[in-house]
Amino acid sequence: SQQGEEDPQALSIQEGENATMNCSYKTSINNLQWYRQNSGRGLVHLILIRSNEREKHSGRLRVTLDTSKKSSSLLITASRAADTASYFCATGAGGYNKLIFGAGTRLAVHP
Amino acid sequence: SAVISQKPSRDICQRGTSLTIQCQVDSQVTMMFWYRQQPGQSLTLIATANQGSEATYESGFVIDKFPISRPNLTFSTLTVSNMSPEDSSIYLCSVGGQGGTTNEKLFFGSGTQLSVL
Repeated sequence: SQQGEEDPQALSIQEGENATMNCSYKTSINNLQWYRQNSGRGLVHLILIRSNEREKHSGRLRVTLDTSKKSSSLLITASRAADTASYFCATGAGGYNKLIFGAGTRLAVHP
Repeated sequence: SAVISQKPSRDICQRGTSLTIQCQVDSQVTMMFWYRQQPGQSLTLIATANQGSEATYESGFVIDKFPISRPNLTFSTLTVSNMSPEDSSIYLCSVGGQGGTTNEKLFFGSGTQLSVL
């Protein structure tokens, strides 16, 4: 399979703690994207990092990319109960090529 | 950005019947993507729909089972034909950024939760 692997599969933390999710992939990429899905509904794009970037920030989100290890991590700082969702990484080879989604991490943030 | 209206949001169907899912975008887009998400699983691309040409199906998906229409640049339908319980999934349509010309920053419909009895 060319799908990415994510770990952990599930993560349970308290509000205010940081949450780190990891994603590994197998093929060369042009970009890596993170998406969020609430309760099995539509996905929402969170952040995109290109293959020539190593780190990117957006609000409480920090994404790193290590192309030599074919891996990425998503850090959510100061988590909130509203961050409870499933998080997916997706890799793209650019242009019209399809995105390949990872297995996802289910995050539960407890008040 | 793109706003996508997908319907129905959920349906319960009998084995052997077919269901057509509609996806309406608020702007013209080049490509629309149809995904399947089986229970507890990740997203798998079914096909890419371009206006004016036949959809391009991924390995494991065939047109007879999942016929797709793309009559214009803002609309597409996916039909799940001759359904069996194994077809119970969430079906999602999406479009790419920049008028649907790239695979970056996909926008998704709210999904169709299909249960087949």
